[in-house]
Amino acid sequence: GDSVTQMEGPVTLSEEACLTINCTYTATGYPSLFWYVQYPGEGLQLLLKATKADDKGSNKGFEATYRKETTSFHLEKGSVQVSDSAVYFCALYSTNTGNQFYFGTGTSLTVIP
Amino acid sequence: DSGVTQTPKHLITATGQRVTLRCSPRSGDLSVYWYQQSLDQGLQFLIQYYNGEERAKGNILERFSAQQFPDLHSELNLSSLELGDSALYFCASSPGTGPQYNEQFFGPGTRLTVL
Repeated sequence: GDSVTQMEGPVTLSEEACLTINCTYTATGYPSLFWYVQYPGEGLQLLLKATKADDKGSNKGFEATYRKETTSFHLEKGSVQVSDSAVYFCALYSTNTGNQFYFGTGTSLTVIP
Repeated sequence: DSGVTQTPKHLITATGQRVTLRCSPRSGDLSVYWYQQSLDQGLQFLIQYYNGEERAKGNILERFSAQQFPDLHSELNLSSLELGDSALYFCASSPGTGPQYNEQFFGPGTRLTVL
């Protein structure tokens, strides 16, 4: 069935370091791909999305490119800030099994000053 | 603030009990989704309702049930609770159903602790 596998954490970076969180997916057809962010004590918020191959989603300095050939949607940011500390979830939306979201297990990021 | 509200924020109960979690979607949204977030299993989709009807079912146990009312709020009922049901339960909403409505807005969650 459809699924998402993302890099396990936790990840700790110094401020202004580069970030990459890996995400790969398994799906038939053409799913949409998402990154959600969860700040401490809050619900998930959509960070960015891409709906077809080669699309690049971007928001708040984060970006991810939908790579069909490698079934990947890695999250990147060139210079992280303390305020980026959160849990990041990769997700896919599949129409194959009744319009469901499949989430990865989440990657916790802590950015230290 | 996503516009999705969930009550209660915290719930502590004992094994074998039954609880009801409530969700109010964003104004105008017709779809409601329930998720369970636990430490060992990540975020699991439970069930979706669209305009009062069940639309999609995920990994929802038979002890759990949900419904969506005419005013579009939804309730998730958990019965015969076990220790393993302790988790964060999130509700999300979207304007409709189908690929064109694939952005979901999440509530702050209800933390359930089963003792």
